[in-house]
Amino acid sequence: NAGVMQNPRHLVRRRGQEARLRCSPMKGHSHVYWYRQLPEEGLKFMVYLQKENIIDESGMPKERFSAEFPKEGPSILRIQQVVRGDSAAYFCASSPRAGELQETQYFGPGTRLLVL
Amino acid sequence: GNSVTQMEGPVTLSEEAFLTINCTYTATGYPSLFWYVQYPGEGLQLLLKATKADDKGSNKGFEATYRKETTSFHLEKGSVQVSDSAVYFCALRGGSSASKIIFGSGTRLSIRP
Repeated sequence: NAGVMQNPRHLVRRRGQEARLRCSPMKGHSHVYWYRQLPEEGLKFMVYLQKENIIDESGMPKERFSAEFPKEGPSILRIQQVVRGDSAAYFCASSPRAGELQETQYFGPGTRLLVL
Repeated sequence: GNSVTQMEGPVTLSEEAFLTINCTYTATGYPSLFWYVQYPGEGLQLLLKATKADDKGSNKGFEATYRKETTSFHLEKGSVQVSDSAVYFCALRGGSSASKIIFGSGTRLSIRP
């Protein structure tokens, strides 16, 4: 059973470009979470999605950032008009369901975004 | 709101030394508590977890006990190895934070041969 997959693993963008980060959850998992890790810091929650629904986006910046998890295909985190402060590692996690405290989230290897 | 505070690093120990990384939390309700480990250049791996008071999570020689009276979840290992060098994150989920995980800032551990 493959784990959570993220691609690309490394992404370099120039200021003003768009960044698209993809996450394929573990097989059988329908809940996806995105976290951001700034250098030398812990992970900060960004958004929680189920198929075709955004459940909690309380950690998403109000502008330039969006996320989706379509019926088919991976979840996408999209950053428009990137700035240097967006440079970070972006981690995706998945779980089979939510609403149960015991449910573990499994993390992908992350996408390291560098904005020049 | 919910939060996690953990011991600042870096922590440097010799091989076979005893390890403690302190972690305390603030939460409403009854959260689940976790320790995650991040090896260089990799994602997070779940190391252990505990879901209710007095539960002890354990894995790979690491242990942590959910202490509600002191709101703590300290990570311990009796004899560390060079391969344990990594960043360790204490985290909680549940209570008022619902589905999202709240992470501590991480503790970098380096083990000398």
